[in-house]
Amino acid sequence: GDQVKQSPSALSLQEGTNSALRCNFSIATTTVQWFLQNPRGSLMNLFYLVPGTKENGRLKSTFNSKESYSTLHIRDAQLEDSGTYFCAVANTGNYKYVFGAGTRLKVIA
Amino acid sequence: ETAVFQTPNYHVTQVGNEVSFNCKQTLGHDTMYWYKQDSKKLLKIMFSYNNKQLIVNETVPRRFSPQSSDKAHLNLRIKSVEPEDSAVYLCASSRDNANTEVFFGKGTRLTVV
Repeated sequence: GDQVKQSPSALSLQEGTNSALRCNFSIATTTVQWFLQNPRGSLMNLFYLVPGTKENGRLKSTFNSKESYSTLHIRDAQLEDSGTYFCAVANTGNYKYVFGAGTRLKVIA
Repeated sequence: ETAVFQTPNYHVTQVGNEVSFNCKQTLGHDTMYWYKQDSKKLLKIMFSYNNKQLIVNETVPRRFSPQSSDKAHLNLRIKSVEPEDSAVYLCASSRDNANTEVFFGKGTRLTVV
């Protein structure tokens, strides 16, 4: 089965609203990364996490290693937040990051 | 600002041809990767090199071969491309292979006709 599962798979948000994206995983890990892939295809780094929480502007992310999940919170969504959000979980056994299938976010005016 | 550079951005070729994609990173990292992103946007690792040595080699067809001249460069050659090779190929790098932060290039979109 899928080692890294993201939910929801797609999401439409009204501009100015808040939302949370979820990443559940079933592999032993010490780090999680979140990326935003914009419509041109570039993968932008959002967060690199060890267990705990980080915040950057309107984004906040938490990595809970005990319960094997990570969340990405988007506050006051803007049109430029549209794109596909990926979480990637580092498999400590074999040097590989395993990616979830992504959450496609569309922010509408 | 991009620090992982890939060329070309796009490539269209016919079935059976050979293609090569280049990747260079200017971050001083020891580890580089090739990922494949399919039409469903699923990202899967293909290869990983640490200091010019292959450390991860996923089950990919033998027509795919990575080539590393130094730790700042990791190229990908595909001999005799197949239609299912149409995808975006993403190069990435990280400081080392101990699950440190990974940075991606902008990708090379391959279309096989």
